[in-house]
Amino acid sequence: SQTIHQWPATLVQPVGSPLSLECTVEGTSNPNLYWYRQAAGRGLQLLFYSVGIGQISSEVPQNLSASRPQDRQFILSSKKLLLSDSGFYLCAWSPTLGDEKLFFGSGTQLSVL
Amino acid sequence: KQEVTQIPAALSVPEGENLVLNCSFTDSAIYNLQWFRQDPGKGLTSLLLIQSSQREQTSGRLNASLDKSSGRSTLYIAASQPGDSATYLCAVPVGADGLTFGKGTHLIIQP
Repeated sequence: SQTIHQWPATLVQPVGSPLSLECTVEGTSNPNLYWYRQAAGRGLQLLFYSVGIGQISSEVPQNLSASRPQDRQFILSSKKLLLSDSGFYLCAWSPTLGDEKLFFGSGTQLSVL
Repeated sequence: KQEVTQIPAALSVPEGENLVLNCSFTDSAIYNLQWFRQDPGKGLTSLLLIQSSQREQTSGRLNASLDKSSGRSTLYIAASQPGDSATYLCAVPVGADGLTFGKGTHLIIQP
């Protein structure tokens, strides 16, 4: 069966520090991968999605970047965090692009102070 | 641009009641709709996925309906239990770019 791992679960970082959140999927090949952010009162916002290694599409201009160095690994990064980057970050995967269910990781609560 | 709205934003009912959560979307050209459940501080769990050719899907005490022409979906929960307390979100695909989500309905089932 397929599983998705996301870490860390919580993170407190000072403004201006770098960020690296990692997500890995097991039990499937060539998944579509997504990073979402959930801010208080704003719902889920799609940040990045990837259909293959090295292929990243960005939905929202921002202080963040994503990379997919391996088929089942998706990384969310920032060189310098802003206060506005605080939120709940969720990684997700789907077997096909838009046709099937979306499966989410357990999330990372990021607080930038 | 597709917009998804969920009403009510919050709902509190006594245990055992049947209840309906509503979801509306502005662009009816969707090919499926999903309902998710989110527990506090956790990720989302997919509950039901309705293809555009279907009118409803059932899983246990949950029944989701889809009316594309009117841009609406409902999630019906029968015989509610305290364990059903969570935030329920609906979402529709946006082209090839993942999903657009509503802001959710925060449901509390009182024991």
